[in-house]
Amino acid sequence: GQQLNQSPQSMFIQEGEDVSMNCTSSSIFNTWLWYKQDPGEGPVLLIALYKAGELTSNGRLTAQFGITRKDSFLNISASIPSDVGIYFCAGQLTGNTPLVFGKGTRLSVIA
Amino acid sequence: NAGVTQTPKFQVLKTGQSMTLQCAQDMNHEYMSWYRQDPGMGLRLIHYSVGAGITDQGEVPNGYNVSRSTTEDFPLRLLSAAPSQTSVYFCASSMAGGRSPLHFGNGTRLTVT
Repeated sequence: GQQLNQSPQSMFIQEGEDVSMNCTSSSIFNTWLWYKQDPGEGPVLLIALYKAGELTSNGRLTAQFGITRKDSFLNISASIPSDVGIYFCAGQLTGNTPLVFGKGTRLSVIA
Repeated sequence: NAGVTQTPKFQVLKTGQSMTLQCAQDMNHEYMSWYRQDPGMGLRLIHYSVGAGITDQGEVPNGYNVSRSTTEDFPLRLLSAAPSQTSVYFCASSMAGGRSPLHFGNGTRLTVT
């Protein structure tokens, strides 16, 4: 089946630093999504991307849908302690096909 | 706003026991799905449904059954639990088609001894 390669697997950063993570696929997707999971909770949507080349921001978060449709990245600027969690990318081919998830990036922020 | 509700939050089973994980959503979403989350494995799709009466297998369906008799409910059944099914299970829903991201429940943590 389809697989997403998400990197890095984990990150330890100082508070205030910027963060970058990315996802690549061997096949194209028409939707890219980024989710965050806090401990003991389900993933929550951060940003949705629906068009190749699209760059979308949500506060300190910025994500881009790669031109080839096979990759996406997420940047977090000026990290704060509450950014700690697991970040997942997900790709979807059509609205009626299941999401394919990356294995997640575990972010730790050192105050 | 209830959203996606999963019960129970925690469950311990013995090998061979059966149980049903409940999932209900109040958003009138056509699409519902079950994922399991294991350390280092991310979220893997077990089963999904695009509407009442329709179900399909995901990446890791073995050992699990589902049914979708109503739009609101999508229970996941373990007929004979195995230790390999120890995991955190998430139910998620969305509108079918178009730009409708998944909404997740808060998970059920299952331990099989």
